Amino acid sequence: DAGITQSPRYKITETGRQVTLMCHQTWSHSYMFWYRQDLGHGLRLIYYSAAADITDKGEVPDGYVVSRSKTENFPLTLESATRSQTSVYFCASTRVHNEQFFGPGTRLTVL
Amino acid sequence: ELKVEQNPLFLSMQEGKNYTIYCNYSTTSDRLYWYRQDPGKSLESLFVLLSNGAVKQEGRLMASLDTKARLSTLHITAAVHDLSATYFCAVKGTGGGADGLTFGKGTHLIIQP
Repeated sequence: DAGITQSPRYKITETGRQVTLMCHQTWSHSYMFWYRQDLGHGLRLIYYSAAADITDKGEVPDGYVVSRSKTENFPLTLESATRSQTSVYFCASTRVHNEQFFGPGTRLTVL
Repeated sequence: ELKVEQNPLFLSMQEGKNYTIYCNYSTTSDRLYWYRQDPGKSLESLFVLLSNGAVKQEGRLMASLDTKARLSTLHITAAVHDLSATYFCAVKGTGGGADGLTFGKGTHLIIQP
């Protein structure tokens, strides 16, 4: 089915481990985004991408790395996970000037 | 830096009542969005407001935008229990098409019978 998917949906890891969260969309949207959602902070932008091989930092990029080799995929990597990165992560995509469509989210716990 | 403030952050109301959620933002923006989130779920797009004076309605929800006042409102008419959720407003800056959204902290709405 068309849409935006994220995997895994739930992940528990340990401090210092590398973790990659996957995001895949089937709409061929040019723009993709990663947000994290934390109580008291709402959603905050981590990274975004305007097209394949074009990425840029958002509000809270430290500790995260992204890549976009294909239009449909936008993985987010935590190079060395910390407890402060425990959060719910949402991927979103959009065509230009339209509303963003959000994936189901990944709930990440860093022990 | 674009900042978005919503109020109230928590609202408990009775079915059948009307209420308004307010969303203020700090700098010029060319579009504003309202989203709904149910517990443990993703965000669902409700409204996209593109210009000053824009008004959109869907069922018991109506959203409006005043770009001069940098204010958007989400009005709930004759609330029903199914509207219980967290509502977010989000603003897109004017930096270009790739910019992400800046979100308010959300309004947690509980509608009681």
